[in-house]
Formats: sequence, structure tokens, C-alpha cells
Amino acid sequence: GQNIDQPTEMTATEGAIVQINCTYQTSGFNGLFWYQQHAGEAPTFLSYNVLDGLEEKGRFSSFLSRSKGYSYLLLKELQMKDSASYLCAVRDDTGGFKTIFGAGTRLFVKA
Amino acid sequence: DVKVTQSSRYLVKRTGEKVFLECVQDMDHENMFWYRQDPGLGLRLIYFSYDVKMKEKGDIPEGYSVSREKKERFSLILESASTNQTSMYLCASSLSGANTEAFFGQGTRLTVV
Repeated sequence: GQNIDQPTEMTATEGAIVQINCTYQTSGFNGLFWYQQHAGEAPTFLSYNVLDGLEEKGRFSSFLSRSKGYSYLLLKELQMKDSASYLCAVRDDTGGFKTIFGAGTRLFVKA
Repeated sequence: DVKVTQSSRYLVKRTGEKVFLECVQDMDHENMFWYRQDPGLGLRLIYFSYDVKMKEKGDIPEGYSVSREKKERFSLILESASTNQTSMYLCASSLSGANTEAFFGQGTRLTVV
């Protein structure tokens, strides 16, 4: 089966750095996604990792360790608009492709 | 810009009614998905489709069916709505391939009374 764990909520200060962790267990791993979802809106794509290591994209970076079943999303120079839910999702190709989502981490950025 | 459009933003239906949720995408994507999103549970996959007339069960297909008669349209059907199907329903589409991101519609908040 599949299991994805991430913290329910985090709070950080404007201008700071925050790391959102995600651990997963899946039998047919074929990549990990991070999505951002503002309240009342649709999720939007942030990053994709399939190989071990760090992918950097502006203020956001995503890391993957396949052997540990672990990923994190790093947000630098936090802005108030970064207050949102961050969803970790794993691509599982067992029995046909599908993308399985974690419950999401609600990030509150305070001034 | 990829656009995924869901037919209704809000719906209120009665227990036992047959409910249709429609989703249309305009980017010729092969894959389409239906999720429901509930607090604390995240997005859970109901059904998905990787081609016209093809469908695959996700993790929670019970009480739902789907239809994909045309590539751009993927419909979710609640045969007999129940109160535990009150939820936010999100449709998504993507190109085929492992590294392709999903594009989501704005969601339909369904309340079953």
C-alpha cells in the first residue's frame, strides 16, 4: 500500500527559511511532486523530483532521498503570500499510474 | 495556459439524488483524475482515466462511477448521493509520462443534505 506523512501545520516568520518534510512508503515509486494550495483555490505545481538530490527553483527547493523514502520542500525568504497548504504527492505506477497525495501541511507566515 | 474547468463551484443535492460533476480540459491531455479533498485527509483519488473510454479505480471508488466519452471531458457520477459524500471534488488532467504535473480545476464543493 501507500502512505505519505507530513506535518499538519507549521508557523514561520516573514523573511525566514522553513523546511516542510514528507516521508512516504510506496511500492512503485516513480517520482515525487510538491504542490501549493491557497485556501479556496486549486493546487498548483511547485516541483518534481525523481532522482536523489536537491532541485532549486528560485526561493523554493525540493530534496529527495529515495533510499530513505524522504523529501523536503525548502522555502527561503518567506513572504506573507507563502501562507498556504503544501501537498506532497508520490507517483505510484503499481497497477497503473496514479498520484497519491499526502494530507498537506498548512504553513502560516507571520510578520 | 492549461485550463481545467469544472461545471459548478457549489452544489447542494438531496440524499438519494443522482449527481453529475463535469470536468473539461482544453490542452489535449491524455490523463484525467477525480479527487475528493477533506480536512485532515488530503486529496484522495476516486477514479482516473488515461484514454477515452478507459477508466481505473483509485483508492475510494465506492459510491462513484465515471465516464470518459471524449478526450477532453471526464464526468464523475454519484449514483445515489449520501451525506458522507459531502466534500470538495477536484478534477485534474495531465499529459502521459511520469514527470508530468497535474493541472487542477477550481473544485466543486458538494453538499448532500
